[in-house]
Amino acid sequence: DTAVSQTPKYLVTQMGNDKSIKCEQNLGHDTMYWYKQDSKKFLKIMFSYNNKELIINETVPNRFSPKSPDKAHLNLHINSLELGDSAVYFCASSLAGAEQFFGPGTRLTVL
Amino acid sequence: GENVEQHPSTLSVQEGDSAVIKCTYSDSASNYFPWYKQELGKGPQLIIDIRSNVGEKKDQRIAVTLNKTAKHFSLHITETQPEDSAVYFCAATGHNFNKFYFGSGTKLNVKP
Repeated sequence: DTAVSQTPKYLVTQMGNDKSIKCEQNLGHDTMYWYKQDSKKFLKIMFSYNNKELIINETVPNRFSPKSPDKAHLNLHINSLELGDSAVYFCASSLAGAEQFFGPGTRLTVL
Repeated sequence: GENVEQHPSTLSVQEGDSAVIKCTYSDSASNYFPWYKQELGKGPQLIIDIRSNVGEKKDQRIAVTLNKTAKHFSLHITETQPEDSAVYFCAATGHNFNKFYFGSGTKLNVKP
């Protein structure tokens, strides 16, 4: 059973389009995160949610809108995609005070 | 906010040798320090972690040391094997675990 899953694994799209990435965890965790990993492998947090409530929004453009319909899901919607949005996006989850589990990542390529 | 620095950025060792990766952090409120291994095309996976109330933790060939006074922590891998080749990240977070700060990563290459 996959603990943290993301779909799709690859996403290729044109500049200006709107796209979504879905994340689900079956670990019963209460905190979920979105990270962006750039071409130099640097991992930077974008958002964190605790019990469906936004806790951290790390100066991410408002073109990025996370949505958490329940504690097991944290989806990421991106409007008006730009070239600089190309990266690998990772979802992660944790139970407060314990380790994070990462999903397999979604490689987004904006043409 | 917290700033985590990681060195070296690349590390090449011979199979069987030891590898050491070092990180420093800036926020004295940070109290949990995990290390992640990321293989090509996969998400980071926790390999070992340490909390601020201990100075050292060991799990088979992997150990982590923490010096709270100097604000640095290190990952030690002994008897390296080719399958240890990956990118390793250190991270730090405070008591609420809402935000993890990652180091810039170390690409470890273990030569057979």
